[in-house]
Formats: sequence, C-alpha cells, structure tokens
Amino acid sequence: DAKTTQPNSMESNEEEPVHLPCNHSTISGTDYIHWYRQLPSQGPEYVIHGLTSNVNNRMASLAIAEDRKSSTLILHRATLRDAAVYYCILREKDTGFQKLVFGTGTRLLVSP
Amino acid sequence: SQTIHQWPATLVQPVGSPLSLECTVEGTSNPNLYWYRQAAGRGLQLLFYSVGIGQISSEVPQNLSASRPQDRQFILSSKKLLLSDSGFYLCAWSLWPRLAGDPSSTDTQYFGPGTRLTVL
Repeated sequence: DAKTTQPNSMESNEEEPVHLPCNHSTISGTDYIHWYRQLPSQGPEYVIHGLTSNVNNRMASLAIAEDRKSSTLILHRATLRDAAVYYCILREKDTGFQKLVFGTGTRLLVSP
Repeated sequence: SQTIHQWPATLVQPVGSPLSLECTVEGTSNPNLYWYRQAAGRGLQLLFYSVGIGQISSEVPQNLSASRPQDRQFILSSKKLLLSDSGFYLCAWSLWPRLAGDPSSTDTQYFGPGTRLTVL
C-alpha cells in the first residue's frame, strides 16, 4: 500500500466545519482513498472512500485534489462525538486480497 | 444486517497463562476475517487474516496463533502470555472481491467492539 501523511492532531470547536488533510504523493491510478475513524475505546469504523471525484455521504465529504496527491475529509459540523482518530488509507482496486494498513492517523479534538 | 461479536470485552491474565479470544460474524457468509492489536497509544497492527476456513496468514512473528474452525468464527490464542501481549485486540470482517451490486467496493472492513487484554 502506498504511504499517506497526516497531521498528528487537530482541534476544532463544536458545530464548526473540520477539514482533515491527507497527503499521498505516491498514489497510483488504481488506488482508492479510504477514511476510517476510531472513537475512544472502540474499533475503527468506515467513514468514506473515493477514487477521483468528490464524494458525500451522511457522515462526511471527501474532497480529492485534481492530481490525486492529496485529499481532505470534511466534517461539516463537528460534534463532540466526532472526537476520534481519523485514518487515511490507500487501497488498490481489484488486485486480489489486500491488507488494510493503518498509519498513526490524526487525532481530532472537539471543544464545546 | 451483519454484526460482529467479540468476547470477552475485557480480560486480565497473568504472565504465562493461556489465551483464547473469540470473534464471530453474523449475517454474511465466507467473509475475510482479521485480527488486529493496538498497544496503548499506538496504531493498529495486523496480526492475522483469513480468507476461508482453515486458511490463516500471519503478519508478525509472535507467540500468538489464530484459527478459523468455522466460516464465521475466528479465534486468537496463545499458550503462554507475555507482558508485551497486553493491548486492545480487534477482530474485523470484509467481503472480497466485491459486494454484489457495488462496483466500487474495495474491501471495506467492519470492526468488532474489541477485547482489552491486560497481562500482569
């Protein structure tokens, strides 16, 4: 799996938007960008994924740079429950079984 | 819908004692299964994965072993625990190569609630 780089931590206030960046300068054309998050004392949960176009779901939005060398996970209105470690992971498409490799992620702190 | 169970939720064991952690998945068949460990304040480390009954791949040499006696059951074991085995153990499942009807599916993994193991 190609490598991703994320800030160690970020802070936000409740009800404000949060933009979590991820750099993946060595991404290949077949790599999907996945985001997971891990709430305290819980297992990670899937957030969103995309390939080239921006993606939206009920949890978040994913903005992918035109050259695909970076992406941003957007939480439109942070809540206290969004405080978690967010992981950006690259996955190859349709190349057989692939292991999910977690980095250290970004710890998001949300203040009331 | 699919659910994943792990037990026990917490466990305190003395050094040198055996270990058995169990993970079961409901609502799907022939899943890929994974065991991860997360040491305190650290990232997730993949320990084992399985693509089918009796098929186990080990990622890190250690005194742990895994078994898959049934399609939706994954067991993590040790004959003698070490202090360094303490951590948060997570089981996960996924479907590969595709979820039916979802051409963009790329092995999304779904994690269980975890077992917190303390070795004293």
